[in-house]
Amino acid sequence: AQSVAQPEDQVNVAEGNPLTVKCTYSVSGNPYLFWYVQYPNRGLQFLLKYITGDNLVKGSYGFEAEFNKSQTSFHLKKPSALVSDSALYFCAVSALYNFNKFYFGSGTKLNVKP
Amino acid sequence: SAVISQKPSRDICQRGTSLTIQCQVDSQVTMMFWYRQQPGQSLTLIATANQGSEATYESGFVIDKFPISRPNLTFSTLTVSNMSPEDSSIYLCSADGQDPQETQYFGPGTRLLVL
Repeated sequence: AQSVAQPEDQVNVAEGNPLTVKCTYSVSGNPYLFWYVQYPNRGLQFLLKYITGDNLVKGSYGFEAEFNKSQTSFHLKKPSALVSDSALYFCAVSALYNFNKFYFGSGTKLNVKP
Repeated sequence: SAVISQKPSRDICQRGTSLTIQCQVDSQVTMMFWYRQQPGQSLTLIATANQGSEATYESGFVIDKFPISRPNLTFSTLTVSNMSPEDSSIYLCSADGQDPQETQYFGPGTRLLVL
């Protein structure tokens, strides 16, 4: 079965510092991996995805993620955090035979302090 | 991209009653999905809303509790039946991209509190 794990419930980082939000996956076949962000009282917003191709994926708002097959990881990164990046981040993987069916990680709350 | 709206945005309901949540997409989509996000938790897929046929439910979710309609390619409803406080959650609908190169889009969610 497809699944993702986000080992950190919360990540704290100072504004201007680099940030990393971790995600590892367990899949059968080639993974389709996604990152979404959820701001308070709002729905999920798409950040980026890995389907195939370059292992480094660039997305919205300056975020990027690196697909690492040997470590089965898809960590979200940003070189310089902003206070406005504070939100709940979800990693997701799509089902093996239905790429529109998502399985989400438990979420990581990112706190960026001024 | 698809824009998805949900009604109501939030509601407070009494136990034993039912609430129907509407999801409208601004373009025709093949697949629509309903998720539940319980307080402080991740999203769990409830079911896939199929146009012209019965919804496909995930393990732990049943049609009697969460009946779903999909009358056309832009609209779906989820009913939460015979509610209990444990049903207090955010309910989100989503719509598919046409292939892996597309992105799944999510509605803003419906916040439900059952007293």
